[in-house]
Amino acid sequence: GDSVTQMEGPVTLSEEAFLTINCTYTATGYPSLFWYVQYPGEGLQLLLKATKADDKGSNKGFEATYRKETTSFHLEKGSVQVSDSAVYFCALTPRGGYNKLIFGAGTRLAVHP
Amino acid sequence: GAVVSQHPSRVICKSGTSVKIECRSLDFQATTMFWYRQFPKKSLMLMATSNEGSKATYEQGVEKDKFLINHASLTLSTLTVTSAHPEDSSFYICSALREAGSGANVLTFGAGSRLTVL
Repeated sequence: GDSVTQMEGPVTLSEEAFLTINCTYTATGYPSLFWYVQYPGEGLQLLLKATKADDKGSNKGFEATYRKETTSFHLEKGSVQVSDSAVYFCALTPRGGYNKLIFGAGTRLAVHP
Repeated sequence: GAVVSQHPSRVICKSGTSVKIECRSLDFQATTMFWYRQFPKKSLMLMATSNEGSKATYEQGVEKDKFLINHASLTLSTLTVTSAHPEDSSFYICSALREAGSGANVLTFGAGSRLTVL
C-alpha cells in the first residue's frame, strides 16, 4: 500500500543553519504531497503542498519539490530560526483520495540560538 | 481562519471505563471529519472517516465497536473509546474538512487528545 518514509529525528541545528528533512514515498499513480508542521501544544498545520511532478511548494522560507523520478519530497530551508522548532510531517493523498492523508512518522526539529 | 477544537486535551482513566473525545469545528461546518491515532515516534494512523448524519467509515484493522464515532451535527464529531485498556493509551487527533469550493478544500487539525489508561 501507499506509504511515506521520512528521516528520523530529532534534528538539532543552530540558528541560521541549512535544513533538509528527507521524505520519500511509495504510491500507485500520482499522489499529492504535503508537509505539515506541529508546534508544541497546537494542531497540525499545512506548511506546503505539491500536486504534480516537478511542482515546488513553498511557504515561510520552506520549500519542497515533487520529484517523481526519485519519489521524494524533501523539505528544505536555507536559514532556520528558533521559532521553526516543531515536528514536521510528510504526507500524501492517493490520487482521487484527497482527504485520506497518509503520514510519515514525523521529524522533530530543535533549533538553538 | 478555520479552527478545530479537541476536548479534553488530556484524559486519564481506569481500565474498563469509556472515554469520550470531542472534535468541534468552531467557525465552519464540516460534513467530514477524520480521526487519527498516533503512537510514540510513529506516524499518524487514520482510524476512521466521520460523516455527518451517517455511519463512520473505519480503516482496516480498526475495531468499530471499540472506537465509536458519532457525527451528529455539522460542527461536532465524537470518538468514544469503550472499555478502555492500557494498550488504547495513545494520542488521538481529529481533523475537519472545510469545503471551500473550486477544489480548494482545507483540512484543519485539532491539537490532539492524549489518553492514558491505567
